Amino acid sequence: QIQLVQSGPELKKPGESVKISCKASGYTFTDYAMHWVKQAPGKGLKWMGWINTYTGKPTYADDFKGRFVFSLEASASTANLQISNLKNEDTATYFCARSGTRVYPPFAYWGQGTLVTVSS
Amino acid sequence: DVVLTQTPVAQPVTLGDQASISCRSSQSLVHSNGNTYLEWYLQKPGQSPQLLIYKVSNRFSGVPDRFIGSGSGSDFTLKISRVEPEDLGVYYCFQATLYTFGAGTKLELK
Repeated sequence: QIQLVQSGPELKKPGESVKISCKASGYTFTDYAMHWVKQAPGKGLKWMGWINTYTGKPTYADDFKGRFVFSLEASASTANLQISNLKNEDTATYFCARSGTRVYPPFAYWGQGTLVTVSS
Repeated sequence: DVVLTQTPVAQPVTLGDQASISCRSSQSLVHSNGNTYLEWYLQKPGQSPQLLIYKVSNRFSGVPDRFIGSGSGSDFTLKISRVEPEDLGVYYCFQATLYTFGAGTKLELK
């Protein structure tokens, strides 16, 4: 069955970096797009962008250009999200989500989420 | 930017009743190819969101037929007939052309 398993919670200080992983199983990793979605505590969902798992090309939403990097370890069926120069407002749960067909619907399958807490 | 406005913010329901959630867009969501890429997601407490409906009215695999999506242009509705306990949570609409979520509607017990 299709599974997306994300790495565990992280506690970081402002200015540090964090890398979250999303390991996929149960399907051919490079056949489906992978998206990232942010949810701040008690808030709604915000789309961060996606990565083409076949070409490795990332696309970032406007609010997530600069400090956010999507990457792949295709041989390990893993997508990664790295956030640098962490700020308090980066405190959130980050979800990876796989598309249903090659690109649509975008969020057919979800990881369990990774909580990143940024605090001094 | 496209804004999706969901109403109500909270919907108190009695189990077995019907619930209705509205999602209105600030502009038409009809794509140039004629399709409308409007989805509905449910996030149960403490869980990841799950896909219910895509392209306005298509139920995703395994979604019960009591979930009915409808609408066109800029006005969309999710109806849940005969609400069951596992239907409680926050519902989000999402449009996959400019990738915007609505703010969410909390379906809760009266």
